[in-house]
Amino acid sequence: AQRVTQPEKLLSVFKGAPVELKCNYSYSGSPELFWYVQYSRQRLQLLLRHISRESIKGFTADLNKGETSFHLKKPFAQEEDSAMYYCALSGRSNYQLIWGAGTKLIIKP
Amino acid sequence: DVKVTQSSRYLVKRTGEKVFLECVQDMDHENMFWYRQDPGLGLRLIYFSYDVKMKEKGDIPEGYSVSREKKERFSLILESASTNQTSMYLCASSISPTVYEQYFGPGTRLTVT
Repeated sequence: AQRVTQPEKLLSVFKGAPVELKCNYSYSGSPELFWYVQYSRQRLQLLLRHISRESIKGFTADLNKGETSFHLKKPFAQEEDSAMYYCALSGRSNYQLIWGAGTKLIIKP
Repeated sequence: DVKVTQSSRYLVKRTGEKVFLECVQDMDHENMFWYRQDPGLGLRLIYFSYDVKMKEKGDIPEGYSVSREKKERFSLILESASTNQTSMYLCASSISPTVYEQYFGPGTRLTVT
């Protein structure tokens, strides 16, 4: 079965500390993975996708096929990073995304 | 910029009422989606549409129906609202079947009393 697991519902770190939001997936084949972010009172938006291999707002994510993970990392957290983060996987059919349950990130001053 | 708009930001309805949620996108996207967003459950797909008048059930279609008469507009209908349908409803669109990036509307917070 295709599944995305975000084990942490809530993650709280201090400003300036490193951040790692975990995402594990279950998928047979070559997946396409995404991180979406929703800031307070804003719409859900794409943060980054693994095929782009880019850094957005200081965040990076590497696809590890051996560990079936796509963790989101940032070396130094900023208060404006506080948001809800969702990991998503492109399914095999029907143009759908399969979503994790989300992790709420709180950056403490 | 892609713009996805939803007809209401907040909506309060009574149990048993028929509820219409409207979504409009302005970028000629082929695919449109309706999700429920609930704490701890993430996004759950209700219905999606890959073309005008075409629709497919998502993971939780029970109690909902949809309509797509025009390419830019995708409506979600709650035939008889119930309290367990109190939720945040998100509409999204994507360019084509092979492009998975989705663009979201601001959401409608529906409360059924």
